Amino acid sequence: GQSLEQPSEVTAVEGAIVQMNCTYQTSGFYGLSWYQQHDGGAPTFLSYNALDGLEETGRFSSFLSRSDSYGYLLLQELQMKDSASYFCAALGGAGTALIFGKGTTLSVSS
Amino acid sequence: NAGVTQTPKFQVLKTGQSMTLQCAQDMNHNSMYWYRQDPGMGLRLIYYSASEGTTDKGEVPNGYNVSRLNKREFSLRLESAAPSQTSVYFCASSEEGDSSYGYTFGSGTRLTVV
Repeated sequence: GQSLEQPSEVTAVEGAIVQMNCTYQTSGFYGLSWYQQHDGGAPTFLSYNALDGLEETGRFSSFLSRSDSYGYLLLQELQMKDSASYFCAALGGAGTALIFGKGTTLSVSS
Repeated sequence: NAGVTQTPKFQVLKTGQSMTLQCAQDMNHNSMYWYRQDPGMGLRLIYYSASEGTTDKGEVPNGYNVSRLNKREFSLRLESAAPSQTSVYFCASSEEGDSSYGYTFGSGTRLTVV
């Protein structure tokens, strides 16, 4: 089976940096993905890590450590529009489907 | 606009009624998925289809059936709706099982069973 653990809530102020963690337990593991979901909206893809290390896309970075079964999403220069839920998701093997964590709700205040 | 289209967007059913949720994608993706989302529970996988002609159960398949009608369409059927199936249902597609390019999600169907 697979399970992913995320903190339920994180708060931060505009302009700050926030890190959202994800630990996983999976019977197989291909990689870790991150998705953003605004209230009432559809999840949208942010990033994917198949290998250990940091992947950067603009203000967003994602990190993976396979040996620690751990990853995180880092958001820099926070903006009000970053207030949303963030989900990590793992793929257990070829021909399978993503299993999602319960998500972290990020609240950004001015 | 290219993407994943789900119909209907909203539905209210009485306990015991049946209905089919429709999903179509125009990105020529091989793989399609159905998830449900309940408050505080994240997205839970109901069924998926890795390629046309195949379907597999996910985490919470009980009470649902699926049909991969063709490469574009993947429907979800509730044969006898129950209040526990009140949820937001999302369909998604991807180029293949690999998630490196990400899943594209539809806008969701908000289902209430009374």
